[in-house]
Amino acid sequence: DIVMTQSPLSLPVTPGEPASISCRSSQSLLHKNGYNYLDWYLQKPGQPPQLLISLGSTRASGVPDRFSGSGSGTDFTLEISGVEAEDVGIYYCMQALQPPRTFGQGTKVEIK
Amino acid sequence: ELQLVESGGGLIQPGGSLRLSCAASGFTVSRYYMTWVRQAPGKGLQCVSVIYSAGNTYYTDSVKGRFTVSRDNSKNTLFLQMNSLRVDDTAVYYCARGEADYYYGLDVWGQGTAVTVSS
Repeated sequence: DIVMTQSPLSLPVTPGEPASISCRSSQSLLHKNGYNYLDWYLQKPGQPPQLLISLGSTRASGVPDRFSGSGSGTDFTLEISGVEAEDVGIYYCMQALQPPRTFGQGTKVEIK
Repeated sequence: ELQLVESGGGLIQPGGSLRLSCAASGFTVSRYYMTWVRQAPGKGLQCVSVIYSAGNTYYTDSVKGRFTVSRDNSKNTLFLQMNSLRVDDTAVYYCARGEADYYYGLDVWGQGTAVTVSS
């Protein structure tokens, strides 16, 4: 299975300040079609996960543009340009290149 | 509105069986990659089984031979038959929708159903 490793695991943030989460995969997620099969999800407290970004950098419908994804191969980053209170929760990366799809451990974002 | 609603969870003794259901509305289950994802208490996310639109299935190693994923097209519902349940199967089980014609992530999730395996 492809192992996904996130850092940091905990991220205290100040509202309005930027935040960044790293995700590294044990194998390249770059498909021969040129897309990286890497998603980002946010699980808010008491809720199921919600899709933020797919294919490394494509924002899902309704996701604010303060969220952006970048990276290729084995190294990926989720950036929040200015954190808002509603952004608290646990962020997960997930690879979709090979079954089984595997998630990172999660990064807990909380307001300072 | 696109919606998934899980049911069937509960408290079960080790070795027992449960059948989870995931009723879909707003789209046709058989046209999509559908997956069951579980979350043990205080833990992260794990994809345990998948059924592709073509009907082929996949299971993570820890549930192979014990869990079976299926769908009833007439009811537009996904199922997870769980047999020989173990304490470490305790989790909230979510169903989620994946891709149809092209990849765009797991874009629709249910609220989850809790399974507790305990004596």
